[in-house]
Amino acid sequence: GAVVSQHPSWVICKSGTSVKIECRSLDFQATTMFWYRQFPKQSLMLMATSNEGSKATYEQGVEKDKFLINHASLTLSTLTVTSAHPEDSSFYICSARVRQLDDSPLHFGNGTRLTVT
Amino acid sequence: AQSVTQPDIHITVSEGASLELRCNYSYGATPYLFWYVQSPGQGLQLLLKYFSGDTLVQGIKGFEAEFKRSQSSFNLRKPSVHWSDAAEYFCAVGAGRGNKLVFGAGTILRVKS
Repeated sequence: GAVVSQHPSWVICKSGTSVKIECRSLDFQATTMFWYRQFPKQSLMLMATSNEGSKATYEQGVEKDKFLINHASLTLSTLTVTSAHPEDSSFYICSARVRQLDDSPLHFGNGTRLTVT
Repeated sequence: AQSVTQPDIHITVSEGASLELRCNYSYGATPYLFWYVQSPGQGLQLLLKYFSGDTLVQGIKGFEAEFKRSQSSFNLRKPSVHWSDAAEYFCAVGAGRGNKLVFGAGTILRVKS
């Protein structure tokens, strides 16, 4: 079945630094990828939708200059948390829509645990 | 706008007992409904989905869900729970096939032996 790979699975960084998270579709082409954030004991909240070759669409309240999304190819989307702060510590999960299968649901990566110290 | 309500934050069942996790949705058109399961520190795994047709949907790991339009519900069921089913379960509604999903708050399932 469709596999979405996310890297790294966990990262610890210092406040003020930037962190890049990669999301790859391994066996299918993903024209659309979605980035979610999950705080402890909470549900997943959609941050943004990235479309290959165009600008990402951010949900209300998500700072686009802080969470940079790049979807330069059909198999890779990246989320860069710029000037990270402790409140950015969270579990970030990407998901991808299979290109050819219109009725295919989203496939999720295993998530990235970000801790900002 | 779409919304999903999972009224039970925690549920504890005995191993071998039946299970039902509740999910209610709000959406103006025909919903696309999903159930996902998440183990601690992991991503989400799709259990089953409903797009159209038969309102009783079979999924993986012995799970099933029934879409009831009149009740705006999509409850997840399993006739006999195994200890390995302990996890967090999320119901989600989508605006279209594979489009962005809105998730419920999740239900944590604990299985006691």
